[in-house]
Amino acid sequence: GDSVTQMEGPVTLSEEAFLTINCTYTATGYPSLFWYVQYPGEGLQLLLKATKADDKGSNKGFEATYRKETTSFHLEKGSVQVSDSAVYFCALSEGFKTIFGAGTRLFVKA
Amino acid sequence: DVKVTQSSRYLVKRTGEKVFLECVQDMDHENMFWYRQDPGLGLRLIYFSYDVKMKEKGDIPEGYSVSREKKERFSLILESASTNQTSMYLCASSVGTLTNEQFFGPGTRLTVL
Repeated sequence: GDSVTQMEGPVTLSEEAFLTINCTYTATGYPSLFWYVQYPGEGLQLLLKATKADDKGSNKGFEATYRKETTSFHLEKGSVQVSDSAVYFCALSEGFKTIFGAGTRLFVKA
Repeated sequence: DVKVTQSSRYLVKRTGEKVFLECVQDMDHENMFWYRQDPGLGLRLIYFSYDVKMKEKGDIPEGYSVSREKKERFSLILESASTNQTSMYLCASSVGTLTNEQFFGPGTRLTVL
């Protein structure tokens, strides 16, 4: 069945460092791909999405490109801030379901 | 802004009690979802609903039921709570196709003693 695998955390970075959180997926069809973020004490909120191969989603300095050939949707940001500390979830949607990865916790130190 | 609200942020219940978790969304979304979130497991779908009075089982429906009598409200029911149902419960809603982005409530942390 469909699945999402993302790198285990926690990831600890200093402010202004480069961020990559890896995400790979398996799917039988052509899913839409998402990154959601969960700040402490809150529900998930959409960070960015891509609906077809080679699409790039971007928001708040974060980017991810839908790579069908490598079945990947890695999240990147050029310069992280303390306020980016949160849990990040990669997800795919196909048919009636959205499948979430296990989440990657990011800590950014000042 | 879409707002999804959940009736409680924290709830403590005893084994065997009947538990109701309420979720309300204010943007006329057709689709509503209940997930549980556990460390290392991400979010797992319990039930979803794509219309009033319609419901579909997700990946882990055992021990749960749902009710959707009005479009804006989706309730999760634990008929007889057990300790392995201690978890964070997240409600979400979406508009249009089921592959569209979902809007989440803040979650209810349920502890069953």
